[in-house]
Amino acid sequence: DAKTTQPPSMDCAEGRAANLPCNHSTISGNEYVYWYRQIHSQGPQYIIHGLKNNETNEMASLIITEDRKSSTLILPHATLRDTAVYYCIVRGTGKSTFGDGTTLTVKP
Amino acid sequence: GAVVSQHPSWVICKSGTSVKIECRSLDFQATTMFWYRQFPKQSLMLMATSNEGSKATYEQGVEKDKFLINHASLTLSTLTVTSAHPEDSSFYICSAGIAGGLNEQFFGPGTRLTVL
Repeated sequence: DAKTTQPPSMDCAEGRAANLPCNHSTISGNEYVYWYRQIHSQGPQYIIHGLKNNETNEMASLIITEDRKSSTLILPHATLRDTAVYYCIVRGTGKSTFGDGTTLTVKP
Repeated sequence: GAVVSQHPSWVICKSGTSVKIECRSLDFQATTMFWYRQFPKQSLMLMATSNEGSKATYEQGVEKDKFLINHASLTLSTLTVTSAHPEDSSFYICSAGIAGGLNEQFFGPGTRLTVL
């Protein structure tokens, strides 16, 4: 599985959009980009995933660059409850390998 | 949506005892289940991959005789921490992959193990 690189921490004002970047320059053609988040002492929560097209669901949007070497998770209107560690994972078949993730802190 | 449960949610045990943690897929069949361990302020570390009806595949550095994994059915996998010691205290999380699905994986809520 490809390695991902994320900034260790980010702050965001409540109500504003949170843009979380992820680099995955060694991604293979059949590997998807997945985003999960983990709130303290809970299991990871699935957010969104994509292959090459941009994706949107009720939680977030995922923007994948044309060369697929990086992506951005967008939380359009961050709330205090969005404070969590966000993990970007690249996965084909099989296991998920977690990096260190980005700790997002939403501030009032 | 797909739900994965774990039992117990937390357990405290004495050093030297064994602890069993269950992971169940509640509304789908999971041919593959994964077990992770997470120490405070660290990321999730994959311990092993288990496939229904076959032996688990352990990651490098994980003792297979200490962390026994059984995946006897398409909805249940168990992790047994044998002869637990305080350094085994951690947050254990399982995830389950849907059989025939698009590589979807769903995570359980985790089990907090404290060994005294």
